[in-house]
Amino acid sequence: EAQVTQNPRYLITVTGKKLTVTCSQNMNHEYMSWYRQDPGLGLRQIYYSMNVEVTDKGDVPEGYKVSRKEKRNFPLILESPSPNQTSLYFCASAAGATRGDTQYFGPGTRLTVL
Amino acid sequence: SQQGEEDPQALSIQEGENATMNCSYKTSINNLQWYRQNSGRGLVHLILIRSNEREKHSGRLRVTLDTSKKSSSLLITASRAADTASYFCATRSGGSNYKLTFGKGTLLTVNP
Repeated sequence: EAQVTQNPRYLITVTGKKLTVTCSQNMNHEYMSWYRQDPGLGLRQIYYSMNVEVTDKGDVPEGYKVSRKEKRNFPLILESPSPNQTSLYFCASAAGATRGDTQYFGPGTRLTVL
Repeated sequence: SQQGEEDPQALSIQEGENATMNCSYKTSINNLQWYRQNSGRGLVHLILIRSNEREKHSGRLRVTLDTSKKSSSLLITASRAADTASYFCATRSGGSNYKLTFGKGTLLTVNP
């Protein structure tokens, strides 16, 4: 089944404790992206990747890091989480320019930073 | 920054009725996509309409796009209770980043 998976689905942590949210897609997609969803603000892009080893900032990259060492994986790293990073996070992927840019979303990771 | 703005913010209808949601955006777009989100869950892609298209159908869904007015509408016909969800329009403005800029969504409630 074609899908985007995220882990963990729920996470409660404390300020300053490094964490990683994993994202994996099995559709051989070139493009991957991270969004956060907050009440009243909608979904905002954090980082994106056009292909392996190619990443760039979205609208709200501060406090986050990403890497794209393999095509299927695009982890989101919070080196020193803060309470304002409490949010619902979504990973998404798309085939790419020649095969369409419909984005497929993962199930979401609900993060609470105390 | 918000690109799409959905209208209305909330819509409550009876099963079997049609539901229409509107989306307005500010800058030129490459395409516009509609997504559904059940409460706190992932986003499901519904339909994509390109800037050179005016109307598209998929099952009970009908999407229109008016680039001169920078607006789109999503019509769900013969609604069902299972259609209860938030609906978002998202625009892609071109360039190498396939970033989608989302509106704040319309919460649709379909009463049995």
